[in-house]
Amino acid sequence: EVQLVQSGAEVKKPGESLKISCKGSGYSFTSYWIGWVRQMPGKGLEWMGIIYPGDSDTRYSPSFQGQVTISADKSISTAYLQWSSLKASDTAMYYCATYDKSWFDPWGQGTLVTVSS
Amino acid sequence: QSVLTQPPSVSAAPGQKVTISCSGSSSNIGNNYVSWYQQLPGTAPKLLIYENNKRPSGIPDRFSGSKSGTSATLGITGLQTGDEADYYCGTWDSSLSAGLWVFGGGTKLTVL
Repeated sequence: EVQLVQSGAEVKKPGESLKISCKGSGYSFTSYWIGWVRQMPGKGLEWMGIIYPGDSDTRYSPSFQGQVTISADKSISTAYLQWSSLKASDTAMYYCATYDKSWFDPWGQGTLVTVSS
Repeated sequence: QSVLTQPPSVSAAPGQKVTISCSGSSSNIGNNYVSWYQQLPGTAPKLLIYENNKRPSGIPDRFSGSKSGTSATLGITGLQTGDEADYYCGTWDSSLSAGLWVFGGGTKLTVL
């Protein structure tokens, strides 16, 4: 079964750094892009960026370029999303999803990030 | 303001049919495949339709997709209370050199 399992919920203070993870299993991790999607409380889906674990080719949405870093470690089939200095406005649910040809499937269960002083 | 425009909400009675529209432009829907995602309350999004009108295995044929020009439509027949969810369309937008994936703003389906 193709599956993405994300790391657990995080509670952080403004200014702190954070790295959340997304571990793939049941497929060739290096052969498919993995995307990250933000969903702020009560809001819609926002595409943040995408990485190809095979060669770490990474694309960012202009809205998130410079705000986050997407990376992957193909040796452990894991993609990451990280922040160097969190803001309260980063409070959201973050999803990873495998990208195949022209669609995202499957999706991880989501990681809730709460940033509060 | 999303690049893809969806109605914020739609509603219909159990057993009825509903359609959800997704309007874009030539830089996105007009020249790329559209996919649709269902997000049940408190859960992660799930792929419902891909390549405009194809259903992944396990998705009932009550769900259908179509595309015409720069618009796409999701149809749901035989509505069930379990269909109450948020629905999102998505596609690539080629207006930037590197491309950009875009989602619609989402449509909340209420089964009355």
